[in-house]
Amino acid sequence: QSVLTQPPSVSGAPGQGVTISCSGSTSNLGAGFDVHWYQQFPGKAPRLLIYGNINRPSGVPDRFSGSKSGTSASLAISGLRAEDEADYYCQSYDRSVNNNWVFGGGTKLTVL
Amino acid sequence: EVQLVESGGGLVQPGGSLKLSCAASGFTFGNYKMNWVRQAPGKGLEWIACISSSYNVVYYADSVQGRFSISRDNAKRTLYLQMNSLRDEDTAVYYCTTDSRSGSSPDYWGQGTLVTVSS
Repeated sequence: QSVLTQPPSVSGAPGQGVTISCSGSTSNLGAGFDVHWYQQFPGKAPRLLIYGNINRPSGVPDRFSGSKSGTSASLAISGLRAEDEADYYCQSYDRSVNNNWVFGGGTKLTVL
Repeated sequence: EVQLVESGGGLVQPGGSLKLSCAASGFTFGNYKMNWVRQAPGKGLEWIACISSSYNVVYYADSVQGRFSISRDNAKRTLYLQMNSLRDEDTAVYYCTTDSRSGSSPDYWGQGTLVTVSS
């Protein structure tokens, strides 16, 4: 059982947009902690997509955007491309583990 | 360019020990908290340990408390994870990461090293 809750799967057609939600509580997202998002392909290390709720590292397309409000956060992907098919994880911090890292369970994005 | 390179993974029997290393370059290693995160086959990401920049504060997930020990050598720019009393469920890819605790600074991950616990 992950501390942060994500939908197990989402899907969308090429060119469409999708949103992946990340739900937390008052001990993590609601406590003001930032959320970060990772993209992971099979057999590969996670790649940072969004940090500090809304910031994109260099090299990440602006089709990826993040937001956070209260105890929830979202990753939006616009203009879906076949190469976006991957697992996506949200990560934050939680008071119950001495403000250390907690993750969502991951969301599998399928591009139809 | 920031680089984190893990090593030391392999096959070990249940009850055995293994020590992982993570060599850091491209940033001021001694200024950063560091983590170990693992991912069991087909499963999600799990944070397991954190060490402060100056060695003196460490934290562990309940799943590894009392069995694993995180340490660092700032002079050698290297992070370690000593794993004892290994169990089947410790089988995973182990990643080292930076931990900036800053919304304005990204964190970095290594490529991971696979630990397989099996008889």
